[in-house]
Amino acid sequence: KAGVTQTPRYLIKTRGQQVTLSCSPISGHRSVSWYQQTPGQGLQFLFEYFSETQRNKGNFPGRFSGRQFSNSRSEMNVSTLELGDSALYLCASTPGGSVSGANVLTFGAGSRLTVL
Amino acid sequence: DQQVKQNSPSLSVQEGRISILNCDYTNSMFDYFLWYKKYPAEGPTFLISISSIKDKNEDGRFTVFLNKSAKHLSLHIVPSQPGDSAVYFCAASENTGNQFYFGTGTSLTVIP
Repeated sequence: KAGVTQTPRYLIKTRGQQVTLSCSPISGHRSVSWYQQTPGQGLQFLFEYFSETQRNKGNFPGRFSGRQFSNSRSEMNVSTLELGDSALYLCASTPGGSVSGANVLTFGAGSRLTVL
Repeated sequence: DQQVKQNSPSLSVQEGRISILNCDYTNSMFDYFLWYKKYPAEGPTFLISISSIKDKNEDGRFTVFLNKSAKHLSLHIVPSQPGDSAVYFCAASENTGNQFYFGTGTSLTVIP
């Protein structure tokens, strides 16, 4: 079974630009979550999508948005990039459902964004 | 506000000895906890989990202990191996979906 696939793996943007990152979950997984990893901050939760609906949202500004398609693939978009948005963006999938305790996040390798 | 904390940024252990990684949390509603290992240029990989109805869970060389009254969990690796050298994250969630709160990680180095 293929794992979680994230594209692109690396990208460089300049301040003010926007970026779109893509995530293909494990086949059959319906929940996709996005996390931002920066040095010293660990992984910060951005949002979770389940069946094309945003189910949970972290404490990030509105410049960060996402969506999920009917095939469970997900994209996240960051508009008006700032230097502080430089980070590793990780996508994780789970089978879904509404009960924690049975859901283990399976992560992709991440998309490394550098903002100059 | 960091709800999950790993206060030791790094830890060095001799091969064959025990590694103990610690994690503290502040939210008493957390009821499910995970440990992940991360190598550079890779995504985190799941190691072991524990729910709040248990105080211990074992999987091979890895054991997680949960002390709910102290809001503390720890990961024990016995015996430690050089391949265990990585960054370890603990994560916690409430029973409200898949939103997990992660600690800042502990970098473990196992010295041959």
